[in-house]
Amino acid sequence: GENVEQHPSTLSVQEGDSAVIKCTYSDSASNYFPWYKQELGKGPQLIIDIRSNVGEKKDQRIAVTLNKTAKHFSLHITETQPEDSAVYFCAASKDSGYALNFGKGTSLLVTP
Amino acid sequence: GAVVSQHPSWVICKSGTSVKIECRSLDFQATTMFWYRQFPKQSLMLMATSNEGSKATYEQGVEKDKFLINHASLTLSTLTVTSAHPEDSSFYICSVMGLGDTEAFFGQGTRLTVV
Repeated sequence: GENVEQHPSTLSVQEGDSAVIKCTYSDSASNYFPWYKQELGKGPQLIIDIRSNVGEKKDQRIAVTLNKTAKHFSLHITETQPEDSAVYFCAASKDSGYALNFGKGTSLLVTP
Repeated sequence: GAVVSQHPSWVICKSGTSVKIECRSLDFQATTMFWYRQFPKQSLMLMATSNEGSKATYEQGVEKDKFLINHASLTLSTLTVTSAHPEDSSFYICSVMGLGDTEAFFGQGTRLTVV
């Protein structure tokens, strides 16, 4: 089955700096790679996603890159703000109707 | 994205009792629903996948007789934890997916505490 590795497990940055979280996946059939933000006591919220036919996608301060050959994808958050502090999960799936396989999460702390 | 409502948001129950958690898709026809559990500071672990009108498919190690899943309509799925024990205490989260979609939308989760 699919195995998604996520690094780092914790990340602390100063407000205004950039944050990068990296994930690798094992199943070359995976073609959908979402990123979720989870705040304490809440369900995950989709913040950005990318499909295997695209190498990069950007939405304001958030961007995701995908390297299919190397089977890794990354989340980039620029100009971080304290409200970006949360746990971020990467995930991978291969087709419609299939459950997401999650990474172990990255706890991001943005200090003022 | 879809609006997914999960109820209750938290529940405390006594050992041996059963608890039902509802997951409603308010504006979206959820042909597939997933149930996850999440222990503190850990990732989401898939428990089961259910398609509307069909029996749920459980992941290895998840007891289907203990975690009863019903997906009777395109907008509602329920998870019943039967004969709950303290080790069942966890955060349970549902997610929904539409026909032909790969995007999944999550409920806000249910914190279950068994005492």
